[in-house]
Amino acid sequence: AQTVTQSQPEMSVQEAETVTLSCTYDTSESDYYLFWYKQPPSRQMILVIRQEAYKQQNATENRFSVNFQKAAKSFSLKISDSQLGDAAMYFCAYRSGRHFGNEKLTFGTGTRLTIIP
Amino acid sequence: EPEVTQTPSHQVTQMGQEVILRCVPISNHLYFYWYRQILGQKVEFLVSFYNNEISEKSEIFDDQFSVERPDGSNFTLKIRSTKLEDSAMYFCASSQSRASGEQYFGPGTRLTVT
Repeated sequence: AQTVTQSQPEMSVQEAETVTLSCTYDTSESDYYLFWYKQPPSRQMILVIRQEAYKQQNATENRFSVNFQKAAKSFSLKISDSQLGDAAMYFCAYRSGRHFGNEKLTFGTGTRLTIIP
Repeated sequence: EPEVTQTPSHQVTQMGQEVILRCVPISNHLYFYWYRQILGQKVEFLVSFYNNEISEKSEIFDDQFSVERPDGSNFTLKIRSTKLEDSAMYFCASSQSRASGEQYFGPGTRLTVT
C-alpha cells in the first residue's frame, strides 16, 4: 500500500518570502500522480498543483512550484512571494497511475502554514 | 468556473439515525468520490463510483454506507445507522477522466452525530 508522509506539522513564513513544504511517499509503482491540495479555514479542499511521475520537468503554477525527485520519492512544494491568503493546511496526495479501480487519493497528514505579516 | 456543490453544509443527527449527504458533481465529470476527514486528522478515501457502480471502496466503507446516483446530476452518500465516530467532514469529489488524475472537491458537509 502507498503511504504519504509530511514530516512538518507546522511551518511559518514571513509575508513575501519563500517557503518549502516537504512530502515523501512510498510506492512500488512507476506510474502515478502527485498533488498538493490547500485547505483554508473554510475547510474546502483546493487543488494547488499536480505532477505526473513520468514527467521529468517540475510542475509550476504561478507562485507555486514543486521539486519532484522520483528516485528519492520526494515531492516538495515551494511557495514564492508568500501572501496572507496562502495561510492554510497543505496536503500532499498520491494517486496510482493504474486506471481502473485505483483512483483513490492517499493523503499525508498535512502541514499547517502560517504567514507572518 | 464549474464547481462541485454539497448539501447540507452542516448536518446534526442522533446516533442510530440515517443520513443522506448530497453532492452535485461538475456536469461533464464521470467519476465520483467520497472522502471523509475526522477533525484534526487527514483526509481518508471512502469510495469511488463510475458508470453506476462502485469501482473501489475502503475498509471504512462498510455495510452501513451506500452510494447512489439517483439521477443525472446528484451523487449521494447514505449512512444507515450513524455512530458517534461517523462525526466528520465529508467531501465529495469528481473527475473528468481517470487519465487526468485530477479530482475536484466540494466544500464538504460537516456531520455531527450526538
